[in-house]
Amino acid sequence: NAGVTQTPKFQVLKTGQSMTLQCAQDMNHEYMSWYRQDPGMGLRLIHYSVGAGITDQGEVPNGYNVSRSTTEDFPLRLLSAAPSQTSVYFCASSYPSKGGYGYTFGSGTRLTVV
Amino acid sequence: GDSVTQMEGPVTLSEEAFLTINCTYTATGYPSLFWYVQYPGEGLQLLLKATKADDKGSNKGFEATYRKETTSFHLEKGSVQVSDSAVYFCALSETSGSRLTFGEGTQLTVNP
Repeated sequence: NAGVTQTPKFQVLKTGQSMTLQCAQDMNHEYMSWYRQDPGMGLRLIHYSVGAGITDQGEVPNGYNVSRSTTEDFPLRLLSAAPSQTSVYFCASSYPSKGGYGYTFGSGTRLTVV
Repeated sequence: GDSVTQMEGPVTLSEEAFLTINCTYTATGYPSLFWYVQYPGEGLQLLLKATKADDKGSNKGFEATYRKETTSFHLEKGSVQVSDSAVYFCALSETSGSRLTFGEGTQLTVNP
């Protein structure tokens, strides 16, 4: 199993450009989520999904769009990149595990907006 | 909404010192609690977790006990090593398990 795969690993964008961060999992997990990591602020939830066709906003959704057409894929779209979106982005999937839930994280995408 | 508060950092210790990183939370229902570790330039690794009150999670010499009465999940290690230098994140997962809420992270540096 590959687990959670994020692409690309690094990306530089110009202000105003759009792009899609890819996230795919091969474990048939129903739940998936996106986070951004900024210094001193931990990881903050952007969007999440509880199944194909179902998404919801997290703490910091502005400027990002998601869709979930299949169980495997949960892409994150930046509509018009801004320097404030410079961050490291992590995708995760979650699954029932021994009285609670377990989470599997991708290796992250480091995005710089200039 | 749910929230997690970690002790302010960074924390600098000498090798073999005792480590405590405080974590308190606010949540409705019965969340699961986690500690994640991030080594320089790497992603997140699960260090330990606990799913109900009074559970103790442990791994690699680290321990944390789920205290519902004080809404806390403090991380401890009896004797830290230089290789423990990393950023540590406390997190909670609400009952549905669909997402995590993270604390701010605590940078730990261990000097030889």
